[in-house]
Amino acid sequence: AAGVIQSPRHLIKEKRETATLKCYPIPRHDTVYWYQQGPGQDPQFLISFYEKMQSDKGSIPDRFSAQQFSDYHSELNMSSLELGDSALYFCASSFWGRALHFGNGTRLTVT
Amino acid sequence: GESVGLHLPTLSVQEGDNSIINCAYSNSASDYFIWYKQESGKGPQFIIDIRSNMDKRQGQRVTVLLNKTVKHLSLQIAATQPGDSAVYFCAETSETSGSRLTFGEGTQLTVNP
Repeated sequence: AAGVIQSPRHLIKEKRETATLKCYPIPRHDTVYWYQQGPGQDPQFLISFYEKMQSDKGSIPDRFSAQQFSDYHSELNMSSLELGDSALYFCASSFWGRALHFGNGTRLTVT
Repeated sequence: GESVGLHLPTLSVQEGDNSIINCAYSNSASDYFIWYKQESGKGPQFIIDIRSNMDKRQGQRVTVLLNKTVKHLSLQIAATQPGDSAVYFCAETSETSGSRLTFGEGTQLTVNP
């Protein structure tokens, strides 16, 4: 079965640089979510989109933005990167409020 | 704010034993609960879910129990195998939070051969 696809798997950036993470949800899923997971932490909700419209917003810094495109893929844009942004970033998708299915994440390292 | 948390950060069991991982939640409006398994370098993997109108649900080798009175959730894994070693998270959502999942603190399950 198709799963959530995220790219890249690993990303290394320097402070103050920008990064773009991509997510391709499971086909026919109507909601996309972004989560951030620090080392040894539980995933923290950042933002979600339902049918390409922002549906919910969590603890997402103002330096981050996201959008969902007409083909349902989503991108998380991160600017003015800080050391503390180093984390795993997960995308998940769901259909009709059912369980979220997660991708394998992008590991972002800010140096 | 409302939170979901786990009682124990680590659990070590022998291969073949049954495992029980517990979770407490504080949001009385929570109506949908999910258990996820996360292996190193991977995303959380759906294991089993349960809605608040149920108190028990069974899957393959796994059972989730929900006690709404004390706001407690547990995951039982039968005949635990080395491949079950991972971090387990409970997560909850409610109508007031839309479909956003709130995760609890994970429990590291280690299965000893």
